[in-house]
Amino acid sequence: RKEVEQDPGPFNVPEGATVAFNCTYSNSASQSFFWYRQDCRKEPKLLMSVYSSGNEDGRFTAQLNRASQYISLLIRDSKLSDSATYLCVVTSPTGGSYIPTFGRGTSLIVHP
Amino acid sequence: NAGVTQTPKFQVLKTGQSMTLQCAQDMNHEYMSWYRQDPGMGLRLIHYSVGAGITDQGEVPNGYNVSRSTTEDFPLRLLSAAPSQTSVYFCASSRDRANYGYTFGSGTRLTVV
Repeated sequence: RKEVEQDPGPFNVPEGATVAFNCTYSNSASQSFFWYRQDCRKEPKLLMSVYSSGNEDGRFTAQLNRASQYISLLIRDSKLSDSATYLCVVTSPTGGSYIPTFGRGTSLIVHP
Repeated sequence: NAGVTQTPKFQVLKTGQSMTLQCAQDMNHEYMSWYRQDPGMGLRLIHYSVGAGITDQGEVPNGYNVSRSTTEDFPLRLLSAAPSQTSVYFCASSRDRANYGYTFGSGTRLTVV
């Protein structure tokens, strides 16, 4: 089982739709969680951290479910500019250090 | 602040050549890392550093060397380029690898022929 798994998509949604992505992780000792956005041929950019209590940033909501070992990202009122690949990142203790592991990403296409 | 600066942006190498990818950050981040990104493979960690003078291997370290003589710089050296090293390379830095996110450089697109 891969350490961090995401549905690659693509998720093809109309403008204004609500879309949600999940990301599962295998290491129950994982400490921190993030969502990144990556545009085509660009570097990943931090979208938001994911906290145990859940957190919201405008149209974006991130949640963590430690019992089931997954994180989620909800995007409301999708915009054309939301089209991108969304990467989840899980940081886990490994040999005395903390190593971030990236999922392979979920592709989102928002169409008019 | 410039953030994380990578050079060059593009590079073509012949098999067997060596080269150094440069990475510099001006945010006084202790943690720096190198990733490669290949289609369908996601980002894979090559090497990382938790501070000046300290480096360690990631998931795919073979064929690469790193050094960290200063907080700001973290160069990645390809010892003898192979076609399998054709990839996009990203350098990233973080204030604290456990609790903070990472700032990425704009990447180096490397082709080995």
